[in-house]
Amino acid sequence: EVQLVQSGAEVKKPGESLKISCKGSGYSFTSYWIGWVRQMPGKGLEWMGIIYPGDSDTRYSPSFQGQVTISADKSISTAYLQWSSLKASDTAMYYCARQFLDSSGYFYFDYWGQGTLVTVSS
Amino acid sequence: DIQLTQSPSFLSASVGDRVTITCRASQGISSYLAWYQQKPGKAPKLLIYAASTLQSGVPSRFSGSGSGTEFTLTISSLQPEDFATYYCQQLNSYPRGTFGQGTKVEIK
Repeated sequence: EVQLVQSGAEVKKPGESLKISCKGSGYSFTSYWIGWVRQMPGKGLEWMGIIYPGDSDTRYSPSFQGQVTISADKSISTAYLQWSSLKASDTAMYYCARQFLDSSGYFYFDYWGQGTLVTVSS
Repeated sequence: DIQLTQSPSFLSASVGDRVTITCRASQGISSYLAWYQQKPGKAPKLLIYAASTLQSGVPSRFSGSGSGTEFTLTISSLQPEDFATYYCQQLNSYPRGTFGQGTKVEIK
């Protein structure tokens, strides 16, 4: 069974650093892109970026480039999303999701993690 | 960047109603569009990919159509468990994909 299990909720102060995780199981972790999606309170889904754990190829949305870092450790089938200096506006739910590429060239997020709630408040 | 505009942003409907949600892309994306359903406090769930292909396990009352710049998600007979927020996602620029702003379907 494919599963993506994310790390638990975090409460941080502005200026602090943070790294949240997404552990994949039940499939070949190095063969699928893992994406990160932000959902601010009461708002919609925002595509942040994506990584291919097989070779760590990473792409970012222009809105998030330079604001976060996406990485992966394929030895433990885990992807990460990290901030070096959090802001109150980073308060949101963050989801990881596996991107499936089918034989016709269509791709989509087929499995999602349960989400990690990040709260940044002084 | 390709922008997606969903309409309406909110709709109120009754059980048994036929519901249609539209997603318009700012430029042509062929059939590189997916639809997701999100219920409160839950992760999104894939409903449809490649504009019209139903994901395994998704009820057949859900259907998708369109190509190019205009797409629709139709629920043929709305059920109580379908009250949720629906998002389209364009996937024209592999591996990147952006979302529409969402359509909330509430009980009338």
